[in-house]
Amino acid sequence: SSELTQDPAVSVALGQTVRITCQGDSLRSYYTSWYQQKPGQAPVLVIYGKNNRPSGIPDRFSGSGSGNTGSLTITGAQAEDEAVYHCSSRDSSANNPGVLFGGGTKLTVL
Amino acid sequence: QVQLQESGPGLVKPSQTLSLTCTVSGGSISSGSYFWSWIRQPAGKGLEWIGRIGRIYPTGSTYYNPSLKSRVTISVDTSKNQFSLRLSSVTAADTAVYYCARDDYGSTNTFDFWGQGTLVTVSS
Repeated sequence: SSELTQDPAVSVALGQTVRITCQGDSLRSYYTSWYQQKPGQAPVLVIYGKNNRPSGIPDRFSGSGSGNTGSLTITGAQAEDEAVYHCSSRDSSANNPGVLFGGGTKLTVL
Repeated sequence: QVQLQESGPGLVKPSQTLSLTCTVSGGSISSGSYFWSWIRQPAGKGLEWIGRIGRIYPTGSTYYNPSLKSRVTISVDTSKNQFSLRLSSVTAADTAVYYCARDDYGSTNTFDFWGQGTLVTVSS
């Protein structure tokens, strides 16, 4: 099916490690991209490709994938990492060069 | 540094056409291999890709979300370095923050630069 599924909410203690996951058939064919969105702001790309970070994104953010699941890991979560994280990939449906987004995961840093 | 800025009416009546423009600065909309996309987000919900335009010369290529395709048109004005969205026959379900973004379709398949977003409310 043409959809990406994320847990609605995840929490992590300050300084600990958290993994946010994304599931979907398209992830068997395409890498997962991850966007961070803070309240009232536009999304910001944090991870793309096999495990690439745009300039300015801290190295505590990393990405991985296996089968139909993509993961975003934050190693040593900081207070400023509290945000909604959206996963995305190309749609692998036949003849559809579209884009899929997950519903977003709200990360709370305790 | 590429910057994008959305503009357009914040209130649209049901059944009418929503029209937004995205002005790109810091780079030419018609150069390079990038596409240019519209994405929307209803309040408290996830992101939804609307469509993209790219390969401006010679004819430009557009791709639309199948669920919106019958109502969406994306066009470009290279003289103003802008691209635009038209969404017809709107209903309350089209109320959302609308973003424009640079789309690296076919390469990294990411949206690497975004506008700040503009809220469009559909209401009579």
